[in-house]
Amino acid sequence: QVQLQESGPGLVKSSQTLSLTCSVSGGPVSSGSFHWNWIRQPAGKGLEWIGRVKTDGSTKYNPSLEGRVTMSLDTSKNQFSLNLSSVTAADTAVYYCARARVYFYNYMDVWGEGTTVIVSS
Amino acid sequence: DIQMTQSPSSLSASVGDEVTISCQASQDINSFLNWYQQRPGKAPKVLIYDASHLETGVPSRFSGSGSGTDFTFTITSLQPEDIATYYCQQYNSLPITFGQGTRLETK
Repeated sequence: QVQLQESGPGLVKSSQTLSLTCSVSGGPVSSGSFHWNWIRQPAGKGLEWIGRVKTDGSTKYNPSLEGRVTMSLDTSKNQFSLNLSSVTAADTAVYYCARARVYFYNYMDVWGEGTTVIVSS
Repeated sequence: DIQMTQSPSSLSASVGDEVTISCQASQDINSFLNWYQQRPGKAPKVLIYDASHLETGVPSRFSGSGSGTDFTFTITSLQPEDIATYYCQQYNSLPITFGQGTRLETK
């Protein structure tokens, strides 16, 4: 059974870079049937898709964050990562990583438990 | 971006009731719509994919329908454990977008 676990600093200073890692267990990130996503959720608000990385390393990002976000895949460590630069208080949220099943259909079937990131001034 | 609008934003119902949530897309998204359940403090969980397909292991009281721009999510015979926020999500085109959520409470 595939499991995802987010890790990274819970507190980031304003204007710095937020860096998170999602460790994948129970299956390889190199499987072509899946995309690897990041989603965030400010407290009391809805879900925002940040972007995704495919097994070939190609990426797509939400235009609302374009220019500040980068994602990468590390098959040797079976994990993928998120970097978000120049953070502000608006980036304070719970960050989730999620696997998207993309063979025939496309839906996020496995999620991490989420990690809270607070941006401080 | 495709805007997803859910209604109602919140809903109060009793155990055993039938509950219906609507989701409208700002443009045609075929059947490329998923429904997620998010219990307080937990990650979202997929219930319905491709508008009407029930994810493995999800109780049959959950169902979805629709195509194009208008979609419906239904819970027949509401159970206490169904108290959560429900989100629709489109994947017709990037960026993936979610509805604002429907918070379901018990009366």
